[in-house]
Amino acid sequence: NAGVTQTPKFRVLKTGQSMTLLCAQDMNHEYMYWYRQDPGMGLRLIHYSVGEGTTAKGEVPDGYNVSRLKKQNFLLGLESAAPSQTSVYFCASCRQALDEKLFFGSGTQLSVL
Amino acid sequence: GENVEQHPSTLSVQEGDSAVIKCTYSDSASNYFPWYKQELGKRPQLIIDIRSNVGEKKDQRIAVTLNKTAKHFSLHITETQPEDSAVYFCAASSNQAGTALIFGKGTTLSVSS
Repeated sequence: NAGVTQTPKFRVLKTGQSMTLLCAQDMNHEYMYWYRQDPGMGLRLIHYSVGEGTTAKGEVPDGYNVSRLKKQNFLLGLESAAPSQTSVYFCASCRQALDEKLFFGSGTQLSVL
Repeated sequence: GENVEQHPSTLSVQEGDSAVIKCTYSDSASNYFPWYKQELGKRPQLIIDIRSNVGEKKDQRIAVTLNKTAKHFSLHITETQPEDSAVYFCAASSNQAGTALIFGKGTTLSVSS
């Protein structure tokens, strides 16, 4: 039972390049989230999904897109990376209701030069 | 939407002392308030949570209190130990505002022996 798995763990991009971060969970969770963590800023919600085929914007959605084509996967895309998107990205999931424990992935360290 | 303020941003205590971290939230419809601990280089993990129908909850050396009228909640750690050193995040959720947790900016707790 792997829990929440994020790939890749590290990535360096040049400004303007695109990439996709993959989050996979094997716990049959309905809800999945993408957060970014920056020093002194805490965890800020980018996008989230409450079920297969659904997505919604969070606090800082600009410059990102997401897809949830399969229940177990939640993809975060950067179409044209900017230095301001340098951050640690965490994916998280929970079973069903919001008032349940969030399971986090191990994070992706992304640097945009 | 929900806004969560967390204080202090850093906290240094001696081993054995108590530590208190305070959070306020803006959405009166919020009904779930978890606390997460993040050790250096690790993923956030849930340590305790409280729901709006409860005023206080304890789990060994940690406790959380909630004042819904004032819209604030606090984390109390007693008999602190060096292994309590970490970043602590509070969060709040509201099904009315959307099915996602909004986090505070975090408190870096340092326990010196």
